[in-house]
Amino acid sequence: EGQLVESGGGLMQPGGSLRLSCAVSGFIASRNYMSWVRQAPGKGLEWVSVIYSGGSTYYADSVKGRFTISRDNSRNTLHLQMNSLRAQDTAVYYCARAESLADPFDVWGQGTMVTVSS
Amino acid sequence: SDVLTQPPSVSVAPGKTARFTCGGNNIGSKSVHWYQQKPGQAPVLVIYYDSDRPSGIPERFSGSISGNTATLTISRVEAGDEADYYCQVWDSSSDHWVFGGGTKLTVL
Repeated sequence: EGQLVESGGGLMQPGGSLRLSCAVSGFIASRNYMSWVRQAPGKGLEWVSVIYSGGSTYYADSVKGRFTISRDNSRNTLHLQMNSLRAQDTAVYYCARAESLADPFDVWGQGTMVTVSS
Repeated sequence: SDVLTQPPSVSVAPGKTARFTCGGNNIGSKSVHWYQQKPGQAPVLVIYYDSDRPSGIPERFSGSISGNTATLTISRVEAGDEADYYCQVWDSSSDHWVFGGGTKLTVL
């Protein structure tokens, strides 16, 4: 079915930048719709961004203009470049797969924690 | 984007039936997916496309939709079902996925 492994989380100061990665195995990321979903401590799930199989990208209003989703097809890896970080970006970040538009997220990673604090 | 409304909590005794609602405008015209999340774990898909069940999910889990409300039902609730449950849709007007706020199931 496939596996997703996130990395790159850590402690950052407000205004800083961080790049998350999601290593994909068992399927080809570029043939799927790959999303980032985050969960602030004690809060619910929040969809963050998606990259379509065709390369189109979309973002939640809360991160638009600050975060950039991309993928490295040669390494079968998904990335999330996070700039101008805010305390409100503190969360566990998950990558997840949908096979097509409107499909469910049937494969999830274990998550990587991002903490933004001075 | 769409807004999905879920009650914050549901409590049920073991062996009874738990129902989780997810309300939203025009939800009947969308495909609703449901996820179970236990503490410290990633979400797990339990119902997709309103009422389909992934392999490995017990038949006790079922989904339905009526009007502007989708419902996840867990029959014969067990202690191991205690978790947060989230509904999700894809909003075609904005190309965004949307999650409900989640409902915490407490097994009494």
